[in-house]
Amino acid sequence: EVQLVESGGGLVQPGGSLRLSCAASRFTFSSYWMTWVRQAPGKGLEWVAIIKQDGSEKYYLDSVKGRFTISRDNANNSLYLQMNSLRAEDTAVYYCARSVWFEFDFWGQGTLVTVSS
Amino acid sequence: DIQMTQSPSSLSASVGDRVTITCRASRGITNYLAWYQQKPGKVPKLLIYAASTLQSGVPSRFSGSGSGTDFTLTIISLQPEDVATYYCQKYNSAPFTFGPGTTVDIE
Repeated sequence: EVQLVESGGGLVQPGGSLRLSCAASRFTFSSYWMTWVRQAPGKGLEWVAIIKQDGSEKYYLDSVKGRFTISRDNANNSLYLQMNSLRAEDTAVYYCARSVWFEFDFWGQGTLVTVSS
Repeated sequence: DIQMTQSPSSLSASVGDRVTITCRASRGITNYLAWYQQKPGKVPKLLIYAASTLQSGVPSRFSGSGSGTDFTLTIISLQPEDVATYYCQKYNSAPFTFGPGTTVDIE
């Protein structure tokens, strides 16, 4: 079955940076849009960013535009999220997910990002 | 941007009951609507896409309907394993906004 494994989460100070990774396996990674979705503690789901198969199109949640960058490496079946200028409100579990027609059919287990001093 | 609302925010029902959750978009999204189930402490799971198409492996007691701005998720006969929070998501265009969620509990 499809496997998505996130890593790179942790504790970071406000204004700091963090790079999340998502290792994909058991499907043809280069054939799918891929996305990041986050969930603040005790809150609902919030879509963050999405990237096209070849990386030529990217879309972001307004509140992360200019601070977060989504990218991918199809040769290594990996998805990334570079997060800069982090704020307390970015604290959340970050999930990577596979996108079919922009609905998300497989999700990783998530990685927790905590922004706090 | 299109806003997504859900009602109710929570509900409690008995095993075997029919449960209906409503999702509304602030503007029309044709049928670009998905439903997800998130059990406590677990990863979200896609239940329904294109408003009414059941994802592979999802029990047939789940069904979806609607188009345009109004959508419903129905559980025909609620089971104990259906205790979860249910989210709708619009995906006609970015941003791919989720609804606030509906928590379903067993009485």
